[in-house]
Amino acid sequence: AQTVTQSQPEMSVQEAETVTLSCTYDTSESDYYLFWYKQPPSRQMILVIRQEAYKQQNATENRFSVNFQKAAKSFSLKISDSQLGDAAMYFCAYSGGNEKLTFGTGTRLTIIP
Amino acid sequence: EPEVTQTPSHQVTQMGQEVILRCVPISNHLYFYWYRQILGQKVEFLVSFYNNEISEKSEIFDDQFSVERPDGSNFTLKIRSTKLEDSAMYFCASSGLRQGKQPQHFGDGTRLSIL
Repeated sequence: AQTVTQSQPEMSVQEAETVTLSCTYDTSESDYYLFWYKQPPSRQMILVIRQEAYKQQNATENRFSVNFQKAAKSFSLKISDSQLGDAAMYFCAYSGGNEKLTFGTGTRLTIIP
Repeated sequence: EPEVTQTPSHQVTQMGQEVILRCVPISNHLYFYWYRQILGQKVEFLVSFYNNEISEKSEIFDDQFSVERPDGSNFTLKIRSTKLEDSAMYFCASSGLRQGKQPQHFGDGTRLSIL
């Protein structure tokens, strides 16, 4: 079974600085997708970024980028120029041969003004 | 942008009662999902649904749970006899393609409180 591990329960960063959230996963599949979802206090689940495992190029979405290391099974999220609105729980998630998303336990990100 | 909508936003129910959570997926999506998040914990997969049948379900999705797409637009989750431990946030999600080829879009969730 696939597992997703987020080893940082909480992180904090000064506004306008850069922060990296860690995620590792375990799988025997070769074709899969990885995601970062953001959950603000309102508890919505908002897609931040998506990476296809067969693509070597790291995905980027504006201030959000990933460092995808397939051999190491690592998928970290970098947030540049952190803003107050980035404060949320961030969940790393995996989707492989079946359809479901497997989530990590989340990292609570605090932005310090 | 199209959205997944869930109703109600908050449901309070007595233990042992039946509850139905409703979802309207994005209109051209074909794959539908329910997830659950107990307060302070991670999001857990319950069930996936495609072509009018369950395609996968987790250990959590026991005989007390059922899903239905009654009219081609709604997608419901029924819990027959609720337990205290069913208290959680329930998220519906949908996607147009399977296996992550298209991201799953989530609704805002239904907070279920069992008294």
